[in-house]
Amino acid sequence: KNQVEQSPQSLIILEGKNCTLQCNYTVSPFSNLRWYKQDTGRGPVSLTIMTFSENTKSNGRYTATLDADTKQSSLHITASQLSDSASYICVVSAGSSSASKIIFGSGTRLSIRP
Amino acid sequence: DAGVIQSPRHEVTEMGQEVTLRCKPISGHNSLFWYRQTMMRGLELLIYFNNNVPIDDSGMPEDRFSAKMPNASFSTLKIQPSEPRDSAVYFCASTDRDNSPLHFGNGTRLTVT
Repeated sequence: KNQVEQSPQSLIILEGKNCTLQCNYTVSPFSNLRWYKQDTGRGPVSLTIMTFSENTKSNGRYTATLDADTKQSSLHITASQLSDSASYICVVSAGSSSASKIIFGSGTRLSIRP
Repeated sequence: DAGVIQSPRHEVTEMGQEVTLRCKPISGHNSLFWYRQTMMRGLELLIYFNNNVPIDDSGMPEDRFSAKMPNASFSTLKIQPSEPRDSAVYFCASTDRDNSPLHFGNGTRLTVT
């Protein structure tokens, strides 16, 4: 069964600190993995995409890693800011056609405290 | 581009009433998705269209739900009759090809009393 599991479910850190969010997946055949950021009251927005051959990708203060062997991904946020408070959703795509299946994790709710 | 546009932003209705949610995808995007999001179940795919044709509607909860895409720039999701358990945020998303990100609208928050 295709599944995406994220941890922790929620996280509170102080402004300026770093944090790492985890994503484990059992999806086959693997196509790509994305991290989305969802602000309160808004739709999710894509932060990064990683394919099978990539093991790290950065987008500003966000760095995503992928270990295709262990089927794990992480999202590391450096020097957190108040605007980083949001839900972060790991999304894995299976298949390689227009009928590809997109599986969403349940998200990690991150709160940054001043 | 204005992004994916959904309307209304909020809808409050009584049980048994018909509800219609609307979506305008990004121009040039040929795939459109309807999702439902709740605290308990997260984001769930309801249906997706490719080139205006419904490809997978296995996520549609029951016959009370229907979706149409009469042209490339407009889609509707209709619930008739609505029930309190339909209360959720409904998102529309579009994309132009596989391996491209989904572009989400800001959702319609539906409350059925």
